[in-house]
Amino acid sequence: GDSVTQMEGPVTLSEEAFLTINCTYTATGYPSLFWYVQYPGEGLQLLLKATKADDKGSNKGFEATYRKETTSFHLEKGSVQVSDSAVYFCALVNSGGSNYKLTFGKGTLLTVNP
Amino acid sequence: NAGVMQNPRHLVRRRGQEARLRCSPMKGHSHVYWYRQLPEEGLKFMVYLQKENIIDESGMPKERFSAEFPKEGPSILRIQQVVRGDSAAYFCASSPLAGVVTDTQYFGPGTRLTVL
Repeated sequence: GDSVTQMEGPVTLSEEAFLTINCTYTATGYPSLFWYVQYPGEGLQLLLKATKADDKGSNKGFEATYRKETTSFHLEKGSVQVSDSAVYFCALVNSGGSNYKLTFGKGTLLTVNP
Repeated sequence: NAGVMQNPRHLVRRRGQEARLRCSPMKGHSHVYWYRQLPEEGLKFMVYLQKENIIDESGMPKERFSAEFPKEGPSILRIQQVVRGDSAAYFCASSPLAGVVTDTQYFGPGTRLTVL
């Protein structure tokens, strides 16, 4: 079945450091890929998405590129802020009839120190 | 526009009791999804409902778990005779249309269930 593997946390960075959170996936067909973020005490929010190979999703300075050849969708940000401290989830949904079922990774806790 | 509301945020039950988790979707959303996050695991799909209909319950345990989304009122996830293995975070999401590729699912803050 479909699965998502993402970098184990926690990740601790200083403000303005470069961030990478690795995500790889296994899926049949042609999945769409997502990054969700969960701030403390809140629900998951969609951060960015990519629906086909070589697409780049971007939002709030975060980027991720859909790499079919390496089945990856790594999240990057050039300069993190304290306000980026949150849990980040990589997810996929497969095309076809059940295109509402999100498959998530375990989440990566990011802490950014001033 | 208020977001997806879930209550209670924390729920403690003893083994054998019933747990009722409520989810009020965003205004105008008629599609509701429940996910469960066990400790050290990612969120896993449980069930997809539209008003008064269960569309897909393939992720629900066969026994003790049920879900509904009545014409009026919130969606309810009900767990009967809870066991320690039911301890988890339960997330609800809603969308105005089905199909997450074309339409974002908006998530609530979750209900943390602890079974003693």
